[in-house]
Amino acid sequence: AQSVTQLDSQVPVFEEAPVELRCNYSSSVSVYLFWYVQYPNQGLQLLLKYLSGSTLVKGINGFEAEFNKSQTSFHLRKPSVHISDTAEYFCAVSSSNTGKLIFGQGTTLQVKP
Amino acid sequence: GAGVSQSPSNKVTEKGKDVELRCDPISGHTALYWYRQSLGQGLEFLIYFQGNSAPDKSGLPSDRFSAERTGGSVSTLTIQRTQQEDSAVYLCASSFRPGGSTDTQYFGPGTRLTVL
Repeated sequence: AQSVTQLDSQVPVFEEAPVELRCNYSSSVSVYLFWYVQYPNQGLQLLLKYLSGSTLVKGINGFEAEFNKSQTSFHLRKPSVHISDTAEYFCAVSSSNTGKLIFGQGTTLQVKP
Repeated sequence: GAGVSQSPSNKVTEKGKDVELRCDPISGHTALYWYRQSLGQGLEFLIYFQGNSAPDKSGLPSDRFSAERTGGSVSTLTIQRTQQEDSAVYLCASSFRPGGSTDTQYFGPGTRLTVL
């Protein structure tokens, strides 16, 4: 069975500081990995996804993530955060036959001025 | 273009009543998914449609939950005899075709269900 673990429930960080949101997955088959962001009172929006190929994936709003198969990780990074990045971030793995997403518990990123 | 829309945006109901939640996917998207977001359980998959058929209903929590899709478009999630533990935000997503290969799921804003 597939599962996703987000290691931090909350990450406070000051504006313009770098941030890393951690995600580990468990799967016995090839996976496709996603990061979604949910701004307050809004739906989920795709930040980036890993399907195959280069292990460093660049997404929207300056975010990037690195797929590490040996460590079964897919951590999300941004070199300099803004107040507007304050949101909840979800890591997810998908099943290749149906596409349903298995989500982690989410990490709340709190950017302070 | 128009995104995924859901209605109502908020629904308050009394325990024991039935509710219907509606999802309008992006035009041309053949795959449709329902998820539930609650404080205790996080984001959970409920059901997946390919066209009008539902090959994966594994996430429906009980037989009080059902869903249908008509015309390969609109989907309705029905909860019968609602319970307080059904209180959650119900999210709908659609993608152009099924499979986790290249397709992005586009999410609607959700329906917040409160069962009193």
